[in-house]
Amino acid sequence: DTAVSQTPKYLVTQMGNDKSIKCEQNLGHDTMYWYKQDSKKFLKIMFSYNNKELIINETVPNRFSPKSPDKAHLNLHINSLELGDSAVYFCASSQLGGLYNEQFFGPGTRLTVL
Amino acid sequence: GQQVMQIPQYQHVQEGEDFTTYCNSSTTLSNIQWYKQRPGGHPVFLIQLVKSGEVKKQKRLTFQFGEAKKNSSLHITATQTTDVGTYFCAYRGGGSNYKLTFGKGTLLTVNP
Repeated sequence: DTAVSQTPKYLVTQMGNDKSIKCEQNLGHDTMYWYKQDSKKFLKIMFSYNNKELIINETVPNRFSPKSPDKAHLNLHINSLELGDSAVYFCASSQLGGLYNEQFFGPGTRLTVL
Repeated sequence: GQQVMQIPQYQHVQEGEDFTTYCNSSTTLSNIQWYKQRPGGHPVFLIQLVKSGEVKKQKRLTFQFGEAKKNSSLHITATQTTDVGTYFCAYRGGGSNYKLTFGKGTLLTVNP
């Protein structure tokens, strides 16, 4: 069973389009995250939800909107895609207050904006 | 804000050689985590260090947290081709700050 899953794995789209990435975790964790990894492999937190409540909201364009329908799901919607949005987007989950607070990452979604 | 610097950015070794990556902060860290990301893969948690001077081992990997809790290192003894990947250090802010901030990573390549 996959612990943290993301769909789609690859996303190729034109500038100006709107797209969504979905994430699900079956670990029973209470916190989920979205990260962006650029071409230089730099991992940057974008958002985090704890029990469906937004707790981290980094300086990210308003075109990015996360949604957490329940604590096992965290989706990312991106409006008016730009070339600079091309990156790998990772979803992750963790249990806050756990022994290690380690984060479990999904396989990533490689977004290419043409 | 608080940042961690990771060095080196890249390291290429011959199989069997040792490898070390360093993570340095200008301020005291409450904890440090290490992750490994294989090429084309996703980051995978390796370990967390929280105590001053802490040393932990996982087979050929040795993790250290400095006495002043401002630096950490990951040492791999006798590298193997399976060690190839990018190693990231990361720290979590204290208290209610749940954000995990990653270093820029060290890419290790191993020549068989």
